[in-house]
Amino acid sequence: DGGITQSPKYLFRKEGQNVTLSCEQNLNHDAMYWYRQDPGQGLRLIYYSQIVNDFQKGDIAEGYSVSREKKESFPLTVTSAQKNPTAFYLCASSNREYEQFFGPGTRLTVL
Amino acid sequence: AQSVSQHNHHVILSEAASLELGCNYSYGGTVNLFWYVQYPGQHLQLLLKYFSGDPLVKGIKGFEAEFIKSKFSFNLRKPSVQWSDTAEYFCAVSRGHTGGFKTIFGAGTRLFVKA
Repeated sequence: DGGITQSPKYLFRKEGQNVTLSCEQNLNHDAMYWYRQDPGQGLRLIYYSQIVNDFQKGDIAEGYSVSREKKESFPLTVTSAQKNPTAFYLCASSNREYEQFFGPGTRLTVL
Repeated sequence: AQSVSQHNHHVILSEAASLELGCNYSYGGTVNLFWYVQYPGQHLQLLLKYFSGDPLVKGIKGFEAEFIKSKFSFNLRKPSVQWSDTAEYFCAVSRGHTGGFKTIFGAGTRLFVKA
């Protein structure tokens, strides 16, 4: 089955720790995205990548970092610099401007 | 600032009522428009999309949306809702810019349909 997988589903982190969220796709899509979903705020774009080895900051990139070493993978690191990291994180992929396909999400809680 | 606005954050309807969810965007030029839906416990998925052509587009499960360029709007409609339509609905706008394409989402509208 083609799709997007995110792991883990739930993640707990202590303050001051970095944590990496995994996102893998087998849809052969060039573009991949990370969003943060908070109640009443919709999806806000953190980072996106249109092609391997290239990525751009979205609207709320501060405190986050990404890499795109392989077409299939786009991991997101939530660093200790992120002031309010507790949220639901969604990864998506697409072929350029077309529709996005979303993963199941990772719920991160900072203790 | 460029944005996507959804007028209603929460909507409660009875089954068989008609639905219209508003969406306005503030970008000029060519855009692609989408409505996504997130059913409880499920992935966010595409409901319908508009790229060009007939401004009235039909999606899955009886939903449709009308693109009105002069009003920068892309409202979602369904003539008769069902309990299973209870979900959160997101309007999204995609446009080209330096570095590729970028999609901006609205804040979402939570729809609850009473049986």
